Amino acid sequence: AQKITQTQPGMFVQEKEAVTLDCTYDTSDPSYGLFWYKQPSSGEMIFLIYQGSYDQQNATEGRYSLNFQKARKSANLVISASQLGDSAMYFCAMREGTGTASKLTFGTGTRLQVTL
Amino acid sequence: KAGVTQTPRYLIKTRGQQVTLSCSPISGHRSVSWYQQTPGQGLQFLFEYFSETQRNKGNFPGRFSGRQFSNSRSEMNVSTLELGDSALYLCASSLGQGVNGYTFGSGTRLTVV
Repeated sequence: AQKITQTQPGMFVQEKEAVTLDCTYDTSDPSYGLFWYKQPSSGEMIFLIYQGSYDQQNATEGRYSLNFQKARKSANLVISASQLGDSAMYFCAMREGTGTASKLTFGTGTRLQVTL
Repeated sequence: KAGVTQTPRYLIKTRGQQVTLSCSPISGHRSVSWYQQTPGQGLQFLFEYFSETQRNKGNFPGRFSGRQFSNSRSEMNVSTLELGDSALYLCASSLGQGVNGYTFGSGTRLTVV
């Protein structure tokens, strides 16, 4: 079974609008971390936001927020007030366990295109 | 502080050759992980090194190997290159002790012809 599922291969959003990128995950480990990364065409993976499985509140980082619904095993990324520079691939990733053996499992990504 | 540095940025090799890629982590980070990114398979974990020891390994053939030096810099080696090894190779550094911060480099884009 897929551990990280991103069902939206591509999304369009108008500048200044908000957009939600979907991510569902599958794990039996009670301790895990969820990450969102942005990958522009240059290739570098840019960290956006992190949510731990025991965190009570949804994570926020500037214009990025993570809508964490633990019972549904979803961790959707919300980008508010989209900018042209937000056009990129977005990856959801999960780390299982407590981090002594670090490994991220990535989803297939969503390509976001911000239009005027 | 300086980010994660990967060299070279681009590389073209011939089938059958071998290649070595380098990753210098953020100062103080002791964990370096390597990932392969291809259009067909997406992002796949290769291996992770912590304090010069391989701590975790993905499902890749033995042609893929790595090592880490005492200054935490890491190299990965691919021997007997195949066309399917063409990919973007990314490394990520972290403190590696349960702290949830992974910083990626810009990657090395390897083309095998």
